[in-house]
Amino acid sequence: DVKVTQSSRYLVKRTGEKVFLECVQDMDHENMFWYRQDPGLGLRLIYFSYDVKMKEKGDIPEGYSVSREKKERFSLILESASTNQTSMYLCASSLGGRQPQHFGDGTRLSIL
Amino acid sequence: AQTVTQSQPEMSVQEAETVTLSCTYDTSESDYYLFWYKQPPSRQMILVIRQEAYKQQNATENRFSVNFQKAAKSFSLKISDSQLGDAAMYFCAYRGSNTGNQFYFGTGTSLTVIP
Repeated sequence: DVKVTQSSRYLVKRTGEKVFLECVQDMDHENMFWYRQDPGLGLRLIYFSYDVKMKEKGDIPEGYSVSREKKERFSLILESASTNQTSMYLCASSLGGRQPQHFGDGTRLSIL
Repeated sequence: AQTVTQSQPEMSVQEAETVTLSCTYDTSESDYYLFWYKQPPSRQMILVIRQEAYKQQNATENRFSVNFQKAAKSFSLKISDSQLGDAAMYFCAYRGSNTGNQFYFGTGTSLTVIP
């Protein structure tokens, strides 16, 4: 089975801090994704990557950056955390074509 | 960008009964893939079922089946013999064959199963 591991289930940070969310997958997937999930808004794509060192902006990239130095690892960075970034963050990975995305458990991030 | 619409924020079903969750999408592509995901409370999102647009036959996975109407751009999920463990948030998702690797998700339907 595909395993997508997010480094933390719960995280509390302060406004202005630089925050790192880590995601690792073990199935050699080319594609990796970061979403935020908010009630009533579903999943909104922040960034995705289709190869090492490659990244594409999603629908809501403002205030975020990403890093993919190795194929199995995709990091989401909040450059200067703000309270409106309090949310559930989901990482996913996939192959191409008809293959589905596989999700991690999610990180519930609170910015105080 | 493609849009995926789930018009039912909440649904409920009696245990052992059947429920249908609706999903519509907007696309100009002829080839694409559709998915239903399930997210139980505080648990991981998992794939329930998928459908390729070029296949006319509706996908089925045990108690889960879809009604795929390509012309109407509709992709509903039917859950038969509902069980307590089916209670979850359900998301419909679209992936185009020509729109790169991006998935588009609906806003979700929260399903409650009544004992």
